[in-house]
Amino acid sequence: DQQVKQNSPSLSVQEGRISILNCDYTNSMFDYFLWYKKYPAEGPTFLISISSIKDKNEDGRFTVFLNKSAKHLSLHIVPSQPGDSAVYFCAATGNQFYFGTGTSLTVIP
Amino acid sequence: SQTIHQWPATLVQPVGSPLSLECTVEGTSNPNLYWYRQAAGRGLQLLFYSVGIGQISSEVPQNLSASRPQDRQFILSSKKLLLSDSGFYLCAWRKRRLGEAFFGQGTRLTVV
Repeated sequence: DQQVKQNSPSLSVQEGRISILNCDYTNSMFDYFLWYKKYPAEGPTFLISISSIKDKNEDGRFTVFLNKSAKHLSLHIVPSQPGDSAVYFCAATGNQFYFGTGTSLTVIP
Repeated sequence: SQTIHQWPATLVQPVGSPLSLECTVEGTSNPNLYWYRQAAGRGLQLLFYSVGIGQISSEVPQNLSASRPQDRQFILSSKKLLLSDSGFYLCAWRKRRLGEAFFGQGTRLTVV
């Protein structure tokens, strides 16, 4: 049973525009959420996180939004750059640490 | 600073052979440790996690097992590999319950 879902397997965005990646979770006990970026044959690298007591966290070009009532979080990247092209995973955590299925982002120059 | 080591980087094993993947963390104590698998075209599946020595929680019943013989050592094992065990295996650690996890470089396992 997939507790964290990313329903869009891929996304293409023009350079300079906004990229919006979405994630849904099922367990209301999760209290910390994260986004990771991953290249093939490498481990994921941490991007940004948000605690369940907040609804927004911003770090440079990256902003994560959390809607607890909808059990939904999103990652906004603006402006998008070609170097942002990678697979992005959302994660939700309690003691366990669950990842979504990933969204492959392609930023077109 | 903290580092995580995972080896080997690649492994080709015949069906029915045993498996042992090792992960060690340096520069911290009492970390939470995790094993994940990424099958081809799939997401990251949590296999096992451990909050302390000898404490292993299994997420998915399968052909694999995990052990934590020392505080900073996490081992993934199998007695007899199946073709379906092929994938990219990742070890991760984190210090706090609410914090980011840091990943090793992964092991590409191909069962033939």
